[in-house]
Amino acid sequence: GEDVEQSLFLSVREGDSSVINCTYTDSSSTYLYWYKQEPGAGLQLLTYIFSNMDMKQDQRLTVLLNKKDKHLSLRIADTQTGDSAIYFCAESRNFGNEKLTFGTGTRLTIIP
Amino acid sequence: GAVVSQHPSWVICKSGTSVKIECRSLDFQATTMFWYRQFPKQSLMLMATSNEGSKATYEQGVEKDKFLINHASLTLSTLTVTSAHPEDSSFYICSAVGVNQPQHFGDGTRLSIL
Repeated sequence: GEDVEQSLFLSVREGDSSVINCTYTDSSSTYLYWYKQEPGAGLQLLTYIFSNMDMKQDQRLTVLLNKKDKHLSLRIADTQTGDSAIYFCAESRNFGNEKLTFGTGTRLTIIP
Repeated sequence: GAVVSQHPSWVICKSGTSVKIECRSLDFQATTMFWYRQFPKQSLMLMATSNEGSKATYEQGVEKDKFLINHASLTLSTLTVTSAHPEDSSFYICSAVGVNQPQHFGDGTRLSIL
C-alpha cells in the first residue's frame, strides 16, 4: 500500500529557512500536498504540486519534487514564530474527491 | 474562499450517549466529504468517504454501525458516534471537496467520553 514518511521534528532559528522533507512510495502518486496544523485545529492547505512539475513557489513557500526519488520538500523562507506547527505532506492519485494518504507529520519548532 | 465549518468544536459526554458532529461547506458545494480521526501526536486516519445522496464508503476496520454518516445535501455531512465509549475519545476532522478543488478541512471536533 501507499506509504508516506516524514521526520518527526525540526527546530529552526527565527529568520532562517526551514526545509521539511517527505518521501513516498506510490509511483502512481499524481498530486502532492502540504498541510499545516496548529494546536487543536484542523488542517490548512498550504500548497500542492502536480507530479509533472519540479518546483512551485508561493511567497515564502517553495515546494520541490524529485519524482525519480519520490521525494518532496517544503522550504519556508524567513521562518517566523507563527510558522510553529505540524506540517503534513499527503499524496493522492487523482485531484479532489479521492482520499489522501498522509505522512506522519513534522513538528516545526522555532527557536527565538 | 473554500471555508469548511465543523461543529461542535469540543464535546464532553457520558459513556453510552450518541454524539452528532456536523461538517458544512460554507461557500462551495461539496461533492465529496471525508471523515478522519486523529489520535494525539499522530497523523490523520481516514474513516469514511461520503458522497452526497449515497451511502458512505468506510475504510477497513471502521464500524459503520458505530459511526453513522449522512450526507444529505451538497453542503452538509454529519457523523454520529453511536453509544460512545471512552475509547471513542479522539479528535475528529472532516474535509470537503468541490469541483476541481483540493480537500479543505474543518477545524476539528474534540470528543471526550467520560
